[in-house]
Amino acid sequence: EVQLVESGGGLVQPGGSLRLSCAASGFTVSTKYMTWVRQAPGKGLEWVAITYTGGSPYYADSVKGRFTISRDNSRNTVYLQMNSLRAEDTAVYYCARGDYDSSGWGCYFFDYWGQGTLVTVSS
Amino acid sequence: SSELTQDPAVSVALGQTVRITCQGDSLRSIYAGWYQQKPGQAPVLVIYGENNRPSGIPDRFSGSSSGNTASLTITGAQAEDEADYYCNSRDSWDNHFYVFGTGTKVTVL
Repeated sequence: EVQLVESGGGLVQPGGSLRLSCAASGFTVSTKYMTWVRQAPGKGLEWVAITYTGGSPYYADSVKGRFTISRDNSRNTVYLQMNSLRAEDTAVYYCARGDYDSSGWGCYFFDYWGQGTLVTVSS
Repeated sequence: SSELTQDPAVSVALGQTVRITCQGDSLRSIYAGWYQQKPGQAPVLVIYGENNRPSGIPDRFSGSSSGNTASLTITGAQAEDEADYYCNSRDSWDNHFYVFGTGTKVTVL
């Protein structure tokens, strides 16, 4: 059974840092692309960052230069290092597994999600 | 970057059919994924590709696409289908970015 379990959220002051972890089971993170998606209170979903199996990571403009996504294949875990945090980064952060369906036009989608971890940036 | 636009809210009578749409330039060349999110829960993938359902998703959920619009249809809506629904695709301007739709709140009456 595929499972994703996030941890590391909490209350942090503006300008501070946090590292989120996403522990995977039921599959090997080195074989899938992994992403982070966030949801501010009462708002919609916002894509944050992605790491592919062999390529460079990519980030939404809103977090580029401040957040770093990485993976530790030996621990089967994906991380999101968040620096220079702002009030607008307050959200539930979800880790999700990505996949691709090549039929027709193709489709990139996120088939398994963790339960999320809340990050609150406030003084 | 691309945008995906959804109607904020729709309602459907129990047992009737509702269609949720998602508009965006990226959908002219790639299919959308659709996610259901209930309050306090993580999103769940319900449709991907041309019209594929992950294991465990009821067959009352179906997808379609035309032009720049992707649609999610619930045929015979049930009370448990009341939720927020989001579409998502790869960004048409930069293939390494991803975008989610604005979300549609579905109310089952």
